[in-house]
Amino acid sequence: GQNIDQPTEMTATEGAIVQINCTYQTSGFNGLFWYQQHAGEAPTFLSYNVLDGLEEKGRFSSFLSRSKGYSYLLLKELQMKDSASYFCAVVYNQGGKLIFGQGTELSVKP
Amino acid sequence: ETGVTQTPRHLVMGMTNKKSLKCEQHLGHNAMYWYKQSAKKPLELMFVYSLEERVENNSVPSRFSPECPNSSHLFLHLHTLQPEDSALYLCASSQEAPGQGGQPQHFGDGTRLSIL
Repeated sequence: GQNIDQPTEMTATEGAIVQINCTYQTSGFNGLFWYQQHAGEAPTFLSYNVLDGLEEKGRFSSFLSRSKGYSYLLLKELQMKDSASYFCAVVYNQGGKLIFGQGTELSVKP
Repeated sequence: ETGVTQTPRHLVMGMTNKKSLKCEQHLGHNAMYWYKQSAKKPLELMFVYSLEERVENNSVPSRFSPECPNSSHLFLHLHTLQPEDSALYLCASSQEAPGQGGQPQHFGDGTRLSIL
């Protein structure tokens, strides 16, 4: 299988930092995406990692360790509008399929 | 304007009905996808089309029938569905199919389908 694991729910405070972890099976790995989905809306692309290290994009950063089968999405200076579900999705094999995790529902409290 | 438009937004149908979901992308992409999103479950990939040819079919029941007449349009034809088919059906597109570089998928807002 290609199990992708992420926490189901997380809660954080406005202005704080939160890290959402994602683990996956490494065999056949060919890239990892993070998506954000607000309730009732389409998922939107946040980041893509294929090499080890940190990709920073404004308040959001994504990290990848291919050897460990591990990624995280880091959200800084949290805002109420960051309350949403966050999905990691892994591409397996060249020309292969994109497998989504079950998503992490993040609630940002005042 | 998301670039990927799905119609209808909501659909209620009986188990004996036949209906179709429509997806249109205005991004000039070559690959299009159908996903099923049920509550508390991962997005489930149903079908992938690349350059109008079906390249992936994830063991989806035959009561779901996709059609891709051109690179901008994708349909999902539905017939004799079951109550467990009630879900959000999302269409997406990307420049190329997965695995060919970091091509993100752009999603439509989905069709909320309810089977009575």
